[in-house]
Amino acid sequence: QVQLVQSGAEVKKPGASVKVSCKASGYTFTSYRISWVRQAPGQGLEWMGWITTYNDKTNSAQKFQGRVTMTTDTSTSTAYMELRSLRSDDTAIYYCARDQLVLPAAIYGYWGQGTLVTVSS
Amino acid sequence: DIQMTQSPSSLSASVGDRVTITCRASQSISGYLNWYQQKAGKAPNLLIYAASSLQSGVPSRFSGSGSGTDFTLTISSLQPEDFATYYCQQSYSTSVTFGGGTKVEIK
Repeated sequence: QVQLVQSGAEVKKPGASVKVSCKASGYTFTSYRISWVRQAPGQGLEWMGWITTYNDKTNSAQKFQGRVTMTTDTSTSTAYMELRSLRSDDTAIYYCARDQLVLPAAIYGYWGQGTLVTVSS
Repeated sequence: DIQMTQSPSSLSASVGDRVTITCRASQSISGYLNWYQQKAGKAPNLLIYAASSLQSGVPSRFSGSGSGTDFTLTISSLQPEDFATYYCQQSYSTSVTFGGGTKVEIK
């Protein structure tokens, strides 16, 4: 069965960087795009961007451009999201999500369990 | 970016009630609209995709409709396990956006 297992919670200081991993199993990793979505405490869902896993092409929300890097390691079927210059309002649960369909359509049928990133001095 | 506006932001309903949640896009998104359910402390779960297609394994009491700018999610007979927050999401644009969410609470 499809599984996305994310790395554990992180506590970071303002100005630092965080790198969250998302290890995929149960399917051919390079056949489906991976996206990243975050959710601040008590708030809604915010799309951050996606990475096409067979060629590492990325697309990110304008809000995060210049601060976010999405990569993959196909040898371990793992996707990564690095966010730099962290601020207190980056405190959130970060989710990875997989497209439902092989044809990229931003329909998120599978989600990781989420990774809590806390930014605090 | 395409703005997605959900209404209401919250509602109280009883088991057995018919519940309708609305999502409006700031521009036409054709039928590129998806609905998710999120329970407290859990990741979102896909319910409906492409405006009206029921995700495999999702109960048939959930249905979606609409096209262009106006969409609805309907729960025909609310069950205890349906109390959650619901989000719409447009997949028309390469910059994906979510609605603000609708929290369905027990009356």
